Amino acid sequence: TQLLEQSPQFLSIQEGENLTVYCNSSSVFSSLQWYRQEPGEGPVLLVTVVTGGEVKKLKRLTFQFGDARKDSSLHITAAQPGDTGLYLCAGAGNRDDKIIFGKGTRLHILP
Amino acid sequence: DTGVSQDPRHKITKRGQNVTFRCDPISEHNRLYWYRQTLGQGPEFLTYFQNEAQLEKSRLLSDRFSAERPKGSFSTLEIQRTEQGDSAMYLCASSFPLRGANFRDEQFFGPGTRLTVL
Repeated sequence: TQLLEQSPQFLSIQEGENLTVYCNSSSVFSSLQWYRQEPGEGPVLLVTVVTGGEVKKLKRLTFQFGDARKDSSLHITAAQPGDTGLYLCAGAGNRDDKIIFGKGTRLHILP
Repeated sequence: DTGVSQDPRHKITKRGQNVTFRCDPISEHNRLYWYRQTLGQGPEFLTYFQNEAQLEKSRLLSDRFSAERPKGSFSTLEIQRTEQGDSAMYLCASSFPLRGANFRDEQFFGPGTRLTVL
């Protein structure tokens, strides 16, 4: 069974600080996605990483896919209150047609 | 707005009643997924359709749950004889998976239907 472990589960930091959250698995994924979800809403896709070692940037957010395609990280520079939310990683297997979600990291940025 | 829509957004029902939710996917997407999300958890896969065919069902989907996508467009999820443990956010997502050397299935989610069973 493929599992995605996200850490930390909760993170509360001051505005302006940098942070990194992690998504780890013992399984290889053909691609990995990061979503952000706000209370009462569905997840919104932020990025998809496909190639081992790939780095993608989305303004202050930097996403990295591990070389072995088993893990990923999300780094936020100079966090802002608008970054508050639940960050979910989701992986697609090589043969399976469905994606598997981690439990998420709940991020709270204090003004 | 051409995103995924779900109706209703909220549903409160009494234990034992039947409920039905609707999902309208992005029009050109041929895949449609249903997930359930409880507090503090990520979405858990329930079932998915490719066009009108239901291709996979999770073990989470008991006999009281049934999903349909009769014309390959919108889908309904029905829960019969609801139980308090069915209280959750029910999410629908759609995709048009890209295959080839770099398979990826980017799913776009609707706002969800929050079900509360009293």
